[in-house]
Amino acid sequence: DTGVSQDPRHKITKRGQNVTFRCDPISEHNRLYWYRQTLGQGPEFLTYFQNEAQLEKSRLLSDRFSAERPKGSFSTLEIQRTEQGDSAMYLCASSFTDGSSGNTIYFGEGSWLTVV
Amino acid sequence: GEDVEQSLFLSVREGDSSVINCTYTDSSSTYLYWYKQEPGAGLQLLTYIFSNMDMKQDQRLTVLLNKKDKHLSLRIADTQTGDSAIYFCADADYKLSFGAGTTVTVRA
Repeated sequence: DTGVSQDPRHKITKRGQNVTFRCDPISEHNRLYWYRQTLGQGPEFLTYFQNEAQLEKSRLLSDRFSAERPKGSFSTLEIQRTEQGDSAMYLCASSFTDGSSGNTIYFGEGSWLTVV
Repeated sequence: GEDVEQSLFLSVREGDSSVINCTYTDSSSTYLYWYKQEPGAGLQLLTYIFSNMDMKQDQRLTVLLNKKDKHLSLRIADTQTGDSAIYFCADADYKLSFGAGTTVTVRA
């Protein structure tokens, strides 16, 4: 198992452009999370999926953000009409839970976004 | 958990023990976690403790949980230069809530 994989690792884009990040979770993990982290802060929850269902979205996730997990495996996070305030590291995480055991959450290496 | 608080900085001499403290507010958290983040990298899960335990030891790491006071600590024995990083505690039911992290600097 190679762990949680994110792509691209770094992205520089011009303001107003759209960007998409991909996350491949650990195999067989049924939960997938997206977090955002800015410099000097801890990660902030954006959204999570159980299999292909998006179960919760944070208030931080404006209508310019959309996340999908179409087949319950990989996920994409798209940001439309990027703004400079979107510059951050976007972290993906995954876990397996069956309701009777723990929910140990593993993170990927993150995707850095710089909006210029 | 909505509010997790940690002290921001800790400086420790190589070979000494480090103790990082954390307080949380969500008493319904099932698990409490410690993650390590090195510059430019993602978060590495260090250890976690179930909320009905009060201590867990894992090699150089010891986690203490005081559920009554909602206080969590991580002790790193024999701190090494490779332990220099930001450490986050997080409480979780189904999703993690993080504090701002404690930057640990190990000096020779």
